[in-house]
Amino acid sequence: EAQVTQNPRYLITVTGKKLTVTCSQNMNHEYMSWYRQDPGLGLRQIYYSMNVEVTDKGDVPEGYKVSRKEKRNFPLILESPSPNQTSLYFCASSSRGENIQYFGAGTRLSVL
Amino acid sequence: SQQGEEDPQALSIQEGENATMNCSYKTSINNLQWYRQNSGRGLVHLILIRSNEREKHSGRLRVTLDTSKKSSSLLITASRAADTASYFCATDADNDMRFGAGTRLTVKP
Repeated sequence: EAQVTQNPRYLITVTGKKLTVTCSQNMNHEYMSWYRQDPGLGLRQIYYSMNVEVTDKGDVPEGYKVSRKEKRNFPLILESPSPNQTSLYFCASSSRGENIQYFGAGTRLSVL
Repeated sequence: SQQGEEDPQALSIQEGENATMNCSYKTSINNLQWYRQNSGRGLVHLILIRSNEREKHSGRLRVTLDTSKKSSSLLITASRAADTASYFCATDADNDMRFGAGTRLTVKP
């Protein structure tokens, strides 16, 4: 089954404790991205990757890191989480061309 | 920054009625897409309309695109309680995807 898998689905952590949210897709998509969703603000892109070893900042990259060492994986790293990073995070992938995004189920993060 | 802006922010209708949501955007696009999100879940792609198309249908969905006005509309006909969800437009300009804040649709049985 074609899917984008994010882990964990829920995470509660404390300020400053490094964390990684994993994302994996099995559709051989070139393009992967991370979004955060906050009430009233819709989805805002954090980082995206056009292919292996190619990553670029989206609209709200501050406080986040990503890597794309393999085509299928695109982890999101919060080196020193802060309470303003409490949000619902989505990973998405798409193929070149029409750029239809396939989304993971989401990771709800709370930073205390 | 957001590209698309949906209108209205929230819409409540009775089952069987039609629901219309609008999206306005600011820059030139390659295509415009509509997505659906059930509460707290991932977004699911519904329909894509290219910049050279004016109207597209998929089942009970009808999408229009007016590039001169930089606007699109999504019509859901004969709505069902199961259509209750948030609907987002997304503009694609050379792989730069931008989502709006969404319209929250409630269909009452």
